[in-house]
Amino acid sequence: NAGVMQNPRHLVRRRGQEARLRCSPVKGHSHVYWYRQLPEEGLKFMVYLQKENIIDESGMPKERFSAEFPKEGPSILRIQQVVRGDSAAYFCASSPPRALRSTIYFGEGSWLTVV
Amino acid sequence: ILNVEQSPQSLHVQEGDSTNFTCSFPSSNFYALHWYRWETAKSPEALFVMTLNGDEKKKGRISATLNTKEGYSYLYIKGSQPEDSATYLCAPSNTGNQFYFGTGTSLTVIP
Repeated sequence: NAGVMQNPRHLVRRRGQEARLRCSPVKGHSHVYWYRQLPEEGLKFMVYLQKENIIDESGMPKERFSAEFPKEGPSILRIQQVVRGDSAAYFCASSPPRALRSTIYFGEGSWLTVV
Repeated sequence: ILNVEQSPQSLHVQEGDSTNFTCSFPSSNFYALHWYRWETAKSPEALFVMTLNGDEKKKGRISATLNTKEGYSYLYIKGSQPEDSATYLCAPSNTGNQFYFGTGTSLTVIP
């Protein structure tokens, strides 16, 4: 998976708590993507970020979800006041800058369970 | 968000059979088409990236073709083996470097 690191791999939260998922891209990659896989479904696009900028968040729910990719440190996907329907696998991927033909490289995912 | 359709949704074949699946996507703002192989509990793994109309790529027993004018790509597996069992995802990317995945074709190869 070319070095995309996600943590935690598994996270259990009670309804109403906050979940924070971290993604460290491949070294040198400045583009990060977050996808969600709901049970029995495929990968749904959530948000696309470059360093310090959100490029496209059209797939992210308007409420309770936010994402950032600071100048230093990993990208964070934050889910506030989690509900059972947020239980899913969240995948992060990264790609190099200005590489339109490049593939994106995925992490191994973070599994969120809301109880 | 691009509307990407993959068919069939799932497929069961016998070991040794050849098979193919389809990915359909809007042809406007198209830049590249990516195929990924995704095994359960692992991360999706890149197979091919294609950009030109008529492109054909091959990796072992797996090959793919691209038609950008009509907006589709085919993935072929020749002589399927049990280790080919996985979900195959396609994702067109646009000039904004955004990737939108189809729901995938789940392939099961029966020994």
